[in-house]
Amino acid sequence: NAGVTQTPKFQVLKTGQSMTLQCAQDMNHEYMSWYRQDPGMGLRLIHYSVGAGITDQGEVPNGYNVSRSTTEDFPLRLLSAAPSQTSVYFCASSDRSDTQYFGPGTRLTVL
Amino acid sequence: AQKVTQAQTEISVVEKEDVTLDCVYETRDTTYYLFWYKQPPSGELVFLIRRNSFDEQNEISGRYSWNFQKSTSSFNFTITASQVVDSAVYFCALSPTYTGGFKTIFGAGTRLFVKA
Repeated sequence: NAGVTQTPKFQVLKTGQSMTLQCAQDMNHEYMSWYRQDPGMGLRLIHYSVGAGITDQGEVPNGYNVSRSTTEDFPLRLLSAAPSQTSVYFCASSDRSDTQYFGPGTRLTVL
Repeated sequence: AQKVTQAQTEISVVEKEDVTLDCVYETRDTTYYLFWYKQPPSGELVFLIRRNSFDEQNEISGRYSWNFQKSTSSFNFTITASQVVDSAVYFCALSPTYTGGFKTIFGAGTRLFVKA
């Protein structure tokens, strides 16, 4: 039981490049979320999903897209990377207990 | 509106000291969950505890204990006989019940340094 996995662990992009951060969970959780963590800003919700085929925006969705074609996977796409998107990204999944289980994080740098 | 306040930005203690991390919350929800997460230097976020708003019993798990007081809207976390491995950032969080976690509000975190 791997829990929540994220790839890659580290990534460096140039401004304007696009990429997809992968997230998968094997706990059969209905809910999945993406957060970014910035110094002094805490954890901020980017997008979330309440089940396969259903996604919605969180607090800071601009510049990011998500999709949820299966229960297990919830990729986050950066459409055109900007230096302001330099951050640590966490994927989380939860069941109806509302307890979120986080992946190990992806540290992204945009030059 | 919901809010979680962790007033202590950083705490530094010497090994074997007891330390309490404070958490004060605001919510209009009648039922809610409170959480504590640990983020060690390696960066992952580790779930420590969830407490339902209708359960004010204190909880102890080894050297960790949690004190939930609804009257003061506080959910404080005490580490007894701290160890160097306890050095981490600790986040308190609040969520309305049965919302899948994506309405969770996190505090800004308290960085704990435990010196040998």
